[in-house]
Amino acid sequence: KAGVTQTPRYLIKTRGQQVTLSCSPISGHRSVSWYQQTPGQGLQFLFEYFSETQRNKGNFPGRFSGRQFSNSRSEMNVSTLELGDSALYLCASSSRLAGDTQYFGPGTRLTVL
Amino acid sequence: GESVGLHLPTLSVQEGDNSIINCAYSNSASDYFIWYKQESGKGPQFIIDIRSNMDKRQGQRVTVLLNKTVKHLSLQIAATQPGDSAVYFCAENPNNAGNMLTFGGGTRLMVKP
Repeated sequence: KAGVTQTPRYLIKTRGQQVTLSCSPISGHRSVSWYQQTPGQGLQFLFEYFSETQRNKGNFPGRFSGRQFSNSRSEMNVSTLELGDSALYLCASSSRLAGDTQYFGPGTRLTVL
Repeated sequence: GESVGLHLPTLSVQEGDNSIINCAYSNSASDYFIWYKQESGKGPQFIIDIRSNMDKRQGQRVTVLLNKTVKHLSLQIAATQPGDSAVYFCAENPNNAGNMLTFGGGTRLMVKP
């Protein structure tokens, strides 16, 4: 079974731009969560989607948003990029049938210049 | 918010020795704990998990111990190998309504050949 895939793997943007990141979960997994990883703040939860609905949200500004499609694929969007948004963005998927264990993708490395 | 083991110590061990990585958590309501391994340039990889109704769980070469009295989690790796070199994160799920992991700061394990 294929793992969690994320595209693109690397992205360079400038301040003020917006960006969309994509995540394809493991087949059969309906929950997708997003995390931001930085050297200073570590791994921080952004939001979780389940059956196209946002089920949980972390403490991030409204510039960070996401959505989930009927096939469980998910996208996250960051608008009006700031230098501090440079980070590794990780997506994880899980299934109740698999004990809700979250399996992570390789991440998208976003650099904001 | 509450946090899990926010620090990034480094543990250096000799190949073949046993390793013990510790983690403190603060949310007594958490009932699910996970250990992840992250190698450079990759997403976190699931190692082992434990629920709060257990105090020990074993996997292949790894054992997780949970002490709810002092809110402490540990990961034991037997016969540590160079391939075990990575950053190890403990995580807790404090939210029974979904998947929202709170991560510790991580411990870097360095295995000397």
